[in-house]
Amino acid sequence: NSKVIQTPRYLVKGQGQKAKMRCIPEKGHPVVFWYQQNKNNEFKFLINFQNQEVLQQIDMTEKRFSAECPSNSPCSLEIQSSEAGDSALYLCASSRYSGNTLYFGEGSRLIVV
Amino acid sequence: AQSVTQPDARVTVSEGASLQLRCKYSYFGTPYLFWYVQYPRQGLQLLLKYYPGDPVVQGVNGFEAEFSKSNSSFHLRKASVHWSDWAVYFCAVSMINNNAGAKLTFGGGTRLTVRP
Repeated sequence: NSKVIQTPRYLVKGQGQKAKMRCIPEKGHPVVFWYQQNKNNEFKFLINFQNQEVLQQIDMTEKRFSAECPSNSPCSLEIQSSEAGDSALYLCASSRYSGNTLYFGEGSRLIVV
Repeated sequence: AQSVTQPDARVTVSEGASLQLRCKYSYFGTPYLFWYVQYPRQGLQLLLKYYPGDPVVQGVNGFEAEFSKSNSSFHLRKASVHWSDWAVYFCAVSMINNNAGAKLTFGGGTRLTVRP
């Protein structure tokens, strides 16, 4: 069973609506990643954090997505205005330090109708 | 740029038969390599990982993989497949970048079907 907890497991949003997903990393893991997995099993790196600091993010994440990992609260990924192409499985992963193995959660499946 | 290729999109084996899932990587330097499994409607679970050292690594549930620098490969093997191994398997390579963390690059996945 995964020790990375993601909620909700499923969310359905209309186009233009906000979609927010949360992730509690494994205890003792300061590094958090978000990936998007589409229906063709293609993975897209979105953003990663070390503690509360953003390490790297892609352009898409900078423009329509917002993410944070506040101290003592779950990490979150929010899509400001959902588009049909955002329908995917959003995977959160954590690791003990930069360069170590990533452990994934069960994912949050977003359906944009 | 690093890349991972899984040449077989689908593999079907009979329960009890042996299994090999292929993975080829392209990477400048010494790679860190991983195999993950994804069961239906679930996230990714780590099967095994290769960090520089012994080329044969053991994983969970009887899986093992062998790293070959000369062939740029990291094939996954299992001696006897069980019906519960029915899943999608992903090979991944890690790039160590002090500014970006251990970002994973994934292969396209191999969907394993197990015949009774």
